[in-house]
Amino acid sequence: DAGITQSPRYKITETGRQVTLMCHQTWSHSYMFWYRQDLGHGLRLIYYSAAADITDKGEVPDGYVVSRSKTENFPLTLESATRSQTSVYFCASTLRINEKLFFGSGTQLSVL
Amino acid sequence: QKEVEQNSGPLSVPEGAIASLNCTYSDRVSQSFFWYRQYSGKSPELIMSIYSNGDKEDGRFTAQLNKASQYVSLLIRDSQPSDSATYLCADTPYGNNRLAFGKGNQVVVIP
Repeated sequence: DAGITQSPRYKITETGRQVTLMCHQTWSHSYMFWYRQDLGHGLRLIYYSAAADITDKGEVPDGYVVSRSKTENFPLTLESATRSQTSVYFCASTLRINEKLFFGSGTQLSVL
Repeated sequence: QKEVEQNSGPLSVPEGAIASLNCTYSDRVSQSFFWYRQYSGKSPELIMSIYSNGDKEDGRFTAQLNKASQYVSLLIRDSQPSDSATYLCADTPYGNNRLAFGKGNQVVVIP
């Protein structure tokens, strides 16, 4: 079934390595988001995008890079992974900002 | 200050009782408010959205919005074990193309 998919589902990497998390949606939603979820912090916004080629920082953008050359894809790159970036990462999308947000299944990232 | 605050700790309620969750937000002109439910190890899913003052009911769920006091609440009537989850409050701060979430409240329904 079409929808929003994240890959990989699980990832283990080492400190200092570059890691890219993928997000793909098939609905042509305008808005896409990357959140990280940690115990005690809830969902924190890393980056978001209102349309292709338009991205903006969220609450915790340091150490992350995003791009959105196509509407359907919104990859998140950790340029040099740190242990503090160990987290569960969720990608989400919506057609309009005041409507339901659709979440991917999440990527559990461990940085050793 | 975080934009959306959910300060209550875990909530334990007996099966069949009412669970009550509260959320406050900082942006006076926020327009849209949401409650998401997240089961352990799963993604959040929308259960309620509310845009105007007052109550909105959907099955066993009721959302209440008070813009003057800047709070939104969620009532779960006739709580069931399947309601055991973390509930996340969210809003769309006016002028921002994003959704801000609170930390969430864990609800445990005891059979």
